[in-house]
Amino acid sequence: KQEVTQIPAALSVPEGENLVLNCSFTDSAIYNLQWFRQDPGKGLTSLLLIQSSQREQTSGRLNASLDKSSGRSTLYIAASQPGDSATYLCAVLKGNTPLVFGKGTRLSVIA
Amino acid sequence: EPEVTQTPSHQVTQMGQEVILRCVPISNHLYFYWYRQILGQKVEFLVSFYNNEISEKSEIFDDQFSVERPDGSNFTLKIRSTKLEDSAMYFCASRVQGAPLEQYFGPGTRLTVT
Repeated sequence: KQEVTQIPAALSVPEGENLVLNCSFTDSAIYNLQWFRQDPGKGLTSLLLIQSSQREQTSGRLNASLDKSSGRSTLYIAASQPGDSATYLCAVLKGNTPLVFGKGTRLSVIA
Repeated sequence: EPEVTQTPSHQVTQMGQEVILRCVPISNHLYFYWYRQILGQKVEFLVSFYNNEISEKSEIFDDQFSVERPDGSNFTLKIRSTKLEDSAMYFCASRVQGAPLEQYFGPGTRLTVT
């Protein structure tokens, strides 16, 4: 059974700092991996999707990498801003199956 | 840009009552999903739906739950007799057939059972 773990559970950084969020999964036979952002009490905003054949994806200040063989992904946020404060969720997909989510990393960026 | 919509945004109901949560997936999408997130916990899969039938369901999706696509646009989740532990955020998602299998999520319905 696929398990997704995100470390750290919470992170607090000063504004302007670069940071890395980690995601690991137990079954490396995935089809794709998605990173989502969730604001308190709100829905899921898709940030980046990496297909299993890809190594990384970039969108603005966000860069996600995937190492399928080791079962790991990282989300790199450059020059963090207070508006980046949210919970970041990692989810993996194996073919025509449901997404399996991690519990998330709660990020606070302090001005 | 097309998006998944859900109604209502917040539903309060009494234990034992029936609730129907509604979703309008993106129009050309063929696969539909319901997930839920209990406060402070992971997002969990409930059910997937394709070609007018359930394609997969989790252990959570017991006889109290049902899904329906009553017309060409709506996708509903019904809980027959709500329990306190059904209180959660319920998310609908949809996707097209084929790569990259990306699921698009709605804003969610917060269900509070009192």
